[in-house]
Amino acid sequence: QVLLQQWGAGLLRPSETLSLTCAVYGGSFNYYWWSWVRQSPGKGLEWIGEINHNGRTNYSPSLKSRVTMSVDTSKDQFSLRLNFVTAADTGIYYCVRGSFSGIVAPDQWGQGTQVIVSS
Amino acid sequence: QSVLTQPPSASGTPGQRVTISCSGTISNIGTHTVNWYQHLPGTAPKLLIYNTNQRPSGVPDRFSGSKSGTSASLAISGLQSEDEADYYCAAWDDTLKGVFGTGTKVTVL
Repeated sequence: QVLLQQWGAGLLRPSETLSLTCAVYGGSFNYYWWSWVRQSPGKGLEWIGEINHNGRTNYSPSLKSRVTMSVDTSKDQFSLRLNFVTAADTGIYYCVRGSFSGIVAPDQWGQGTQVIVSS
Repeated sequence: QSVLTQPPSASGTPGQRVTISCSGTISNIGTHTVNWYQHLPGTAPKLLIYNTNQRPSGVPDRFSGSKSGTSASLAISGLQSEDEADYYCAAWDDTLKGVFGTGTKVTVL
């Protein structure tokens, strides 16, 4: 059974960079796409983007100018960076195994990281 | 705002059947498969339906998914109190990439 464990800074000031990492335990890292999803307070789920083991990415058009995703296949980890955060980026961020465009739909989720952007 | 539109709420009494709609376009539901998630507060979302009508192992067969044209539906039959949660459809969109629905809060009366 795969386990996704994520971590990163939970309190940021406006204009800082959000940085989260997700470690995958349970193997088959190279077989899947890996995604990031967030939920802002009082709002629904929002897809941020995805990356595969080769570093190929797809980003949400609304966040594309500020998002960078990367992978470290030697550690079975993938990461999210979101630049120039504002209060609108406050929310719970999840790392997820799978892709809406791929063979495996997003099915296994990390525990979530609460991120607060406040001055 | 999402390109997949769901009713904000749905409700039913225990044992009833509840259906949640998800309205999209040719560039998402009309072309790609649909997934459904159950989201309880304070927990990670749970995949209920993938590939429009497939259930992952462990998901009760009370949950079923379907699609017609540019709309999809999730049906919950034999509604139970533990089904009270938020439900989201999701799909790939040819322009916007990954998209979630607006979400539906299901209340068990």
